[in-house]
Amino acid sequence: GESVGLHLPTLSVQEGDNSIINCAYSNSASDYFIWYKQESGKGPQFIIDIRSNMDKRQGQRVTVLLNKTVKHLSLQIAATQPGDSAVYFCAEKRAGGTSYGKLTFGQGTILTVHP
Amino acid sequence: SAVISQKPSRDICQRGTSLTIQCQVDSQVTMMFWYRQQPGQSLTLIATANQGSEATYESGFVIDKFPISRPNLTFSTLTVSNMSPEDSSIYLCSVEDDSTYEQYFGPGTRLTVT
Repeated sequence: GESVGLHLPTLSVQEGDNSIINCAYSNSASDYFIWYKQESGKGPQFIIDIRSNMDKRQGQRVTVLLNKTVKHLSLQIAATQPGDSAVYFCAEKRAGGTSYGKLTFGQGTILTVHP
Repeated sequence: SAVISQKPSRDICQRGTSLTIQCQVDSQVTMMFWYRQQPGQSLTLIATANQGSEATYESGFVIDKFPISRPNLTFSTLTVSNMSPEDSSIYLCSVEDDSTYEQYFGPGTRLTVT
């Protein structure tokens, strides 16, 4: 079936390093890909999204890359800070049809930033 | 971004009872969703709740077990009925912003069934 998954379940980095979190997806019909950050005891927080017709999008300290050829999505965090420690989820969304608005989530990557 | 609140934030319930979770948004939104997140796992969509229509449920979730109300554009409830320990999870409400189409989540309701 359709799925969105992650290559690495955990990632540990030193403060100030750049972090790269990866995600593989299988549904080539997805229209949007979104990254969420979930801190302990909180709901997922929207970080950034990218449309399927783009290959790169930048935000504040974050960049999302989309490679549709290999169905791969990544989130790059520059100058990682201890406050970035959280679980990161990728999700896909369809923009139309009966699946409109529904998010399919990947398994999550635990990012730990060491001071 | 939309500000979403949920009540209760957590509860411990006896098996066989029911719990109704409330979701309140600070702005009017068309689409609201309910997700479940089991301990240490990812999120799974339970149902989509749009105002003025019946909720639509995902495979594995049924209305008798998870009845949903959506009386207006800022509020929804999810009831977890006839609870069992397997229902212990975090239940999250989310909304899609009508302007940006970005989807935001509430803080979740942590449910423990004993």
